[in-house]
Amino acid sequence: QKEVEQNSGPLSVPEGAIASLNCTYSDRVSQSFFWYRQYSGKSPELIMSIYSNGDKEDGRFTAQLNKASQYVSLLIRDSQPSDSATYLCAVGTNFGNEKLTFGTGTRLTIIP
Amino acid sequence: DAGVTQSPTHLIKTRGQHVTLRCSPISGHKSVSWYQQVLGQGPQFIFQYYEKEERGRGNFPDRFSARQFPNYSSELNVNALLLGDSALYLCASSNSRGSYEQYFGPGTRLTVT
Repeated sequence: QKEVEQNSGPLSVPEGAIASLNCTYSDRVSQSFFWYRQYSGKSPELIMSIYSNGDKEDGRFTAQLNKASQYVSLLIRDSQPSDSATYLCAVGTNFGNEKLTFGTGTRLTIIP
Repeated sequence: DAGVTQSPTHLIKTRGQHVTLRCSPISGHKSVSWYQQVLGQGPQFIFQYYEKEERGRGNFPDRFSARQFPNYSSELNVNALLLGDSALYLCASSNSRGSYEQYFGPGTRLTVT
């Protein structure tokens, strides 16, 4: 079982709709959870962090965390063509170091 | 403020050679982590340094080594390069003050021929 699992996609969403990205993790002691956006040929860009159960909203982005189910998701409202990218889920344990374990990423395409 | 910087941007090396990659963290950040990203995969953790001390090491062979300098910049060294070392090498910095958010530099694209 992979430590962090994501559906590789591609996920196609019409412009203006809600894009929903999901991630599950295996290590129950995980404490910190992140979503990164990576455009083709570029480095990952941090877009959301979440540490507690529940929802966290930032503009058009909402991160949701459920530690009991070991599940974290990212919702993108009013999807724009510029949101087309690969979205990486990353998980950290925060035990003495800040190692992040990444999923393989979900490729999202917003259709105009 | 300037973000994380890395050099060089691109590098082509031959099998068996050695390479040194450099990273400068965001001003005020004392922690630097190195990741390797091969095409189609997420970044894989190589090392983390905080205040010049190694805090974590990923599952990479001893050919990989790193260090952090008093100004918090860092170097990643890879000896005896293999074709499989071809990847994007990413440096990330964090302030390690209750926040574990890591910010990536633009990366160094290494090609081993």
